[in-house]
Amino acid sequence: DAGVTQSPTHLIKTRGQHVTLRCSPISGHKSVSWYQQVLGQGPQFIFQYYEKEERGRGNFPDRFSARQFPNYSSELNVNALLLGDSALYLCASSGTGTGHRTQYFGPGTRLLVL
Amino acid sequence: KNEVEQSPQNLTAQEGEFITINCSYSVGISALHWLQQHPGGGIVSLFMLSSGKKKHGRLIATINIQEKHSSLHITASHPRDSAVYICAVTSWESGGGADGLTFGKGTHLIIQP
Repeated sequence: DAGVTQSPTHLIKTRGQHVTLRCSPISGHKSVSWYQQVLGQGPQFIFQYYEKEERGRGNFPDRFSARQFPNYSSELNVNALLLGDSALYLCASSGTGTGHRTQYFGPGTRLLVL
Repeated sequence: KNEVEQSPQNLTAQEGEFITINCSYSVGISALHWLQQHPGGGIVSLFMLSSGKKKHGRLIATINIQEKHSSLHITASHPRDSAVYICAVTSWESGGGADGLTFGKGTHLIIQP
């Protein structure tokens, strides 16, 4: 079984541009979470989607948005990029059921904003 | 104050030593996670705990809910254990939904041969 996949692996953008990052969860997983990890720091929670609905949102500006598709894959969109958006963006999926669940992380997309 | 605090931030030890990494949290949690991150970014979930103790190979994780504290132990440490170890919690107080994790800053562990 394939793990969580993310695309692209690396991306370079300039300030003011927008970017779309993609995530495919493990087959059968309905929950997808997005995290931002700035160099030298722990990841920060951005969004969680479950069954195509937003179930949680971290302390990020409205320039960040996401959605989940019927096949449970997800996109993270960031508009009006700032230099500070340079980071590793991680996607994690978890399985069905209620309560706390183990999260399985993708390899991340490394975004550099110049 | 961060909701999840880890100590130490950096740890260098000799092969074979017993390693302890500590995690304290200040919010109500539904679960605590220990994760491992290697250079290049990949994160692997090691443990998910809501009470007591779990063991997997040379790794042991414990949690004390009353004291809001968890420890990750590595017995007979090996250079391949060198990585960043991150403590994270699932908390209904952090707006993260059912699964959104709040992370500590991580402990950078180096095991020298």
